Amino acid sequence: EVQLVESGGGLVQPGGSLRLSCAASGFTFSDHYMNWVRQAPGKGPEWVARIRDRSKSYTTYYAASVKGRFTISRDDSGNSLYIQMSSLKTEDTAIYYCAREVRDNSGYCYFDSWGQGTLVTVSS
Amino acid sequence: DIQMTQSPSSLSASVGDSVTITCRASQGINNHLAWFQQKPGKAPKSLIYAMSSLQSGVPSKFSGSGSGTDFTLTISSLQPEDFATYYCQQYDSLPLTFGGGTKVEI
Repeated sequence: EVQLVESGGGLVQPGGSLRLSCAASGFTFSDHYMNWVRQAPGKGPEWVARIRDRSKSYTTYYAASVKGRFTISRDDSGNSLYIQMSSLKTEDTAIYYCAREVRDNSGYCYFDSWGQGTLVTVSS
Repeated sequence: DIQMTQSPSSLSASVGDSVTITCRASQGINNHLAWFQQKPGKAPKSLIYAMSSLQSGVPSKFSGSGSGTDFTLTISSLQPEDFATYYCQQYDSLPLTFGGGTKVEI
């Protein structure tokens, strides 16, 4: 069974930093693109960042709203996904989910599994 | 960025009803369209990918269709556990984008 378990959320002041983790199990983590997706209170999901697998040189991509402030990374030996968040703003307040991608028949990747999320609150 | 517009934003239905939710993309997405169900306090759950392919374990009461830039999710014979918020999402190009959601309530 695929399991994704996020941790590291909490209360942080504007301008502060936080590192989130996602522990993966039940599948071959190194074979999959992984993502962070966030959801502000009462809002729809918003994609944050993607990291591809080793075959694609661990290429990373970011939403414009976080580019330059957030860094996604992964540890395939430890089956873990991370996101380092810095220069946090009040608008970064959200539940942060890690999400696994798998390929459809056309070779494009879609989300098939999500963790339970970890809440990040940016407030003074 | 590709904008995803869902309608309606909410709808009321009864147990046993069938409902249809619409999602429109601001440009062509080659049927790279997914649907998710989200219940309060829970993570989104994958229902459909590639516009009409059912995720493993999802009952056939959920179906997806569409063409070009217009897509629909149909839920037949609504049961109490189906009352939730539904989101569409395009995965044709980055940034990945979601619709605003449709809340299905009694």
